[in-house]
Amino acid sequence: KQEVTQIPAALSVPEGENLVLNCSFTDSAIYNLQWFRQDPGKGLTSLLLIQSSQREQTSGRLNASLDKSSGRSTLYIAASQPGDSATYLCAVRKNSGNTPLVFGKGTRLSVIA
Amino acid sequence: SAVISQKPSRDICQRGTSLTIQCQVDSQVTMMFWYRQQPGQSLTLIATANQGSEATYESGFVIDKFPISRPNLTFSTLTVSNMSPEDSSIYLCSVKGQTHYEQYFGPGTRLTVT
Repeated sequence: KQEVTQIPAALSVPEGENLVLNCSFTDSAIYNLQWFRQDPGKGLTSLLLIQSSQREQTSGRLNASLDKSSGRSTLYIAASQPGDSATYLCAVRKNSGNTPLVFGKGTRLSVIA
Repeated sequence: SAVISQKPSRDICQRGTSLTIQCQVDSQVTMMFWYRQQPGQSLTLIATANQGSEATYESGFVIDKFPISRPNLTFSTLTVSNMSPEDSSIYLCSVKGQTHYEQYFGPGTRLTVT
């Protein structure tokens, strides 16, 4: 059974810092991995999608990497801003595109002005 | 990408009643997914709804408690039946893109059962 773990569970940083969020998964036979952002009480916003054949994806100040063989992904946020404060969720899809996503519990990020 | 809307956005319901949540997508999709997020927890898949067939429920979820309708390729409903305070959660509708299987989520329905 696929399990996804995110470390740390919570993180507080001053504005302007670069930071890394970690995601690990137990079964390396994944189809893709997706990072989401969730604001309190709201739905999920897709940030980055990495296919199993890719090593990284970038969008603006965000960079996500994938090391499938070791079962790890990182989300790098450059020059953090208070507006980045949210919960960041990592999810993996196993095997094929028709299997459901398995989510981690998320990292709650607070960026202090 | 897909744009998903949900109604209601939030509700406060009494124990023993039922609530139906609507999900509308701006494009035709084969599968729609319903997730639950209990307070402080991550997302758990309730069921997958295919148009024209019965929904497929995950372990721990049953049709009598969470009946789902999927009348067409852009719409689905999830009913939370005979509610108890343990059903207080955010319920999220989701679809999967066709090309790269990127998953998209609606804004969620925040349910509080008193």
